[in-house]
Amino acid sequence: DAGVIQSPRHEVTEMGQEVTLRCKPISGHNSLFWYRQTMMRGLELLIYFNNNVPIDDSGMPEDRFSAKMPNASFSTLKIQPSEPRDSAVYFCASIPQGGHGYTFGSGTRLTVV
Amino acid sequence: GESVGLHLPTLSVQEGDNSIINCAYSNSASDYFIWYKQESGKGPQFIIDIRSNMDKRQGQRVTVLLNKTVKHLSLQIAATQPGDSAVYFCAENSFGDYKLSFGAGTTVTVRA
Repeated sequence: DAGVIQSPRHEVTEMGQEVTLRCKPISGHNSLFWYRQTMMRGLELLIYFNNNVPIDDSGMPEDRFSAKMPNASFSTLKIQPSEPRDSAVYFCASIPQGGHGYTFGSGTRLTVV
Repeated sequence: GESVGLHLPTLSVQEGDNSIINCAYSNSASDYFIWYKQESGKGPQFIIDIRSNMDKRQGQRVTVLLNKTVKHLSLQIAATQPGDSAVYFCAENSFGDYKLSFGAGTTVTVRA
């Protein structure tokens, strides 16, 4: 089992640019979560999907953030346009049906300059 | 609002000693609790979980205690090793809710 796979591991971009983060959940897991981690706010849930359908996006900070899950094996989190305050580590996690303990990916460290 | 929080932000432990990490939660509807370990540059890693119908659960070198009366959760690590140095998070959710709420995290540093 390769675990939850995120790409890229690091991303440095200029303010105003579009950023796309990618996630491949564990095969067979049907819920996927995007979290953001910062020193100030800790781990914050941005959005989660169940069976590829967005269930709760109340944590998405602004309209600049959007997430998609076109199929069971792939999800993207897009920020357009990016701002320096978006700098954080973004984690993707997945769980199987009926499960509770997330399996997290290694994260994408985003730096917006 | 409802939240999960940690009492101590940092903990320094001598190698070989036992560690105790504490966590308070405020949502009385929470019925499932998890401890995660996060090493530098990595994602949080599941350590151990406990349901609200239990007050203690043991794993390999770790024990989680749950006191529902005072809404308190603790993680005990026996014979702490250098590899235990990490940030530890408690998290909770309620039955039927997939969302986990995470505490702020406690940084554990093991002294050789």
